[in-house]
Amino acid sequence: NAGVMQNPRHLVRRRGQEARLRCSPMKGHSHVYWYRQLPEEGLKFMVYLQKENIIDESGMPKERFSAEFPKEGPSILRIQQVVRGDSAAYFCASSPGLVGAHEQFFGPGTRLTVL
Amino acid sequence: AQSVTQPDIHITVSEGASLELRCNYSYGATPYLFWYVQSPGQGLQLLLKYFSGDTLVQGIKGFEAEFKRSQSSFNLRKPSVHWSDAAEYFCAVGAREGSQGNLIFGKGTKLSVKP
Repeated sequence: NAGVMQNPRHLVRRRGQEARLRCSPMKGHSHVYWYRQLPEEGLKFMVYLQKENIIDESGMPKERFSAEFPKEGPSILRIQQVVRGDSAAYFCASSPGLVGAHEQFFGPGTRLTVL
Repeated sequence: AQSVTQPDIHITVSEGASLELRCNYSYGATPYLFWYVQSPGQGLQLLLKYFSGDTLVQGIKGFEAEFKRSQSSFNLRKPSVHWSDAAEYFCAVGAREGSQGNLIFGKGTKLSVKP
């Protein structure tokens, strides 16, 4: 009965490097959401994906950020050429589908530190 | 614009005392409403949710919340706080229609519990 899995839990990158964050949704869940939490802030929506499709990326920065949820394997949030302002906790959530879509189950997060 | 306001950034209560955490929202229509709790370094755990029906909602760990449409509020309560309740609490809303399901979060209220 595994919950939402995220790895790594902590990631340190130097400015200009790439960061890859992984999320495995709960078993049977086909909807994945990514959120970012800056210090002293609530979570901000970034992107919503279903298998092989990006449904809503209205919260994603226009540059350097991308997300995918392939047919097989985890969802990936990719940040290219990281900058210090990207330091944050990134949370993934999953839900089973349109019915109950708003009940989202969260992973433990990946804490990204950019040096 | 859609928003969630948690007016109290930090609250300290004595163990055994009652607790009320405030949440107000600004939305075009009655949204789905949620309370999540986050322990330090952890992900978010759903405490309770309101979709429809009885406006007094019971959740886990002895928490309850009351939806008041006239005040656009969804305050969280607990009659007797335990030391293990020390954490950060987030109120969130989600649209009922025309939405991809992403949640809008407040900035959170950090709860400290005095022995």
